[in-house]
Amino acid sequence: DIVMTQSPDSLAVSLGERATINCRSSQSVLYRSNNKNYLAWYQQKPGQPPKVLIYWASTRESGVPDRFSGSGSGTDFTLTISSLQAEDVAVYYCQQYYSSWTFGQGTKVEIK
Amino acid sequence: EVQLVESGGGLVQPGGSLRLSCSASGFTFSSYVMHWVRQAPGKGLEYVSAISADGGSTYYADSLKGRFTISRDNSKNTLYLQMSSLRVEDTAVYYCVKVDAVAGVFDYWGRGTLVTVSS
Repeated sequence: DIVMTQSPDSLAVSLGERATINCRSSQSVLYRSNNKNYLAWYQQKPGQPPKVLIYWASTRESGVPDRFSGSGSGTDFTLTISSLQAEDVAVYYCQQYYSSWTFGQGTKVEIK
Repeated sequence: EVQLVESGGGLVQPGGSLRLSCSASGFTFSSYVMHWVRQAPGKGLEYVSAISADGGSTYYADSLKGRFTISRDNSKNTLYLQMSSLRVEDTAVYYCVKVDAVAGVFDYWGRGTLVTVSS
């Protein structure tokens, strides 16, 4: 199975500042025939189910604010929140869907 | 509007069984792969199981093989998860999840149903 490892486990960022979350997969999730990385990011707020933010590593889901962006390829990926808002307090998960499905352990984002 | 509503959770003793259901609406249920994902209290997301659109193919996380069975009834727009030989560590909120047909990501999640395994 592909293991997904996120870092850090938690971070505290001031309002309006940048938040960066990293995700590493134990093997490449790049499907070479279509040049797409099968990597998604989800946001989970307390008491709610997860919500998809980014798929194919960098494609924003419809309706997701453009302060959220995804980057990376192969085994190393990043989710960036360019200007943290109060409503972004949540746990963020990466997920690979290249070979079955696995999630990272989650990164908790808080306000400093 | 897509809606996924789980039911069937509750308190069960270790070694017991439980069947979860997920009622789907707002989309053509029979055209989509469906999944179950669980989340233990205060913990992260754990992948459970998948079933193809026609129910002919299934997949299970290695740690659950042999104890859980996923199925669906496309005539009733309902997804199921039969759980047996339940353990304390199976205590979790179980989410029913729909997959986006193009991107392959989990685009809609139910609100989940809580399964508590305790004596």
